[in-house]
Amino acid sequence: AQSVTQLDSHVSVSEGTPVLLRCNYSSSYSPSLFWYVQHPNKGLQLLLKYTSAATLVKGINGFEAEFKKSETSFHLTKPSAHMSDAAEYFCVVTTSYGQNFVFGPGTRLSVLP
Amino acid sequence: DTEVTQTPKHLVMGMTNKKSLKCEQHMGHRAMYWYKQKAKKPPELMFVYSYEKLSINESVPSRFSPECPNSSLLNLHLHALQPEDSALYLCASSQVLQGARNSPLHFGNGTRLTVT
Repeated sequence: AQSVTQLDSHVSVSEGTPVLLRCNYSSSYSPSLFWYVQHPNKGLQLLLKYTSAATLVKGINGFEAEFKKSETSFHLTKPSAHMSDAAEYFCVVTTSYGQNFVFGPGTRLSVLP
Repeated sequence: DTEVTQTPKHLVMGMTNKKSLKCEQHMGHRAMYWYKQKAKKPPELMFVYSYEKLSINESVPSRFSPECPNSSLLNLHLHALQPEDSALYLCASSQVLQGARNSPLHFGNGTRLTVT
């Protein structure tokens, strides 16, 4: 069985400071991992994906994530937060070739001026 | 802008009404999904269609009836809903990659449904 833990339900940072959103997963097999962002009343937008290529993955809007198998982690980072980054972020794991995507509970990011 | 289009954006319906949600994608994806999302929660999977055939039904009540008329379209027919069915309904699509790693989900902006 697969599962995803997002350790922080809410993270608050000041504009211009680094962002760290944590994600740990549990999987019996080699996972594919994704980060999505959701702004209010919008759908989910793919930020980045890991599918067994490079362990450091770069995404859109300056975000990146590092896959660490030994720690079963896939934390999302950004060097400098922008006001427009305030949103809900979901970490997602899947290990099958089918359509079973498991979502984490989400982390709400607030960016203070 | 999203490449998955959902209509309508908002829908208010009474418990005796019949309505339909529509979803369209032109990315050539052969898997399409319906998710339900309540406030401050992650999306919950309802249905998956793969090559226009229903492949996953997550024990959804029969008042929700999905339909996949062709590879680009996905509908969700609603009948006799309850107030607790009020939520954001999200459509998504993905490639079906045989013998390869998973393709990500591509989401529409959703339909905000209110049942009165």
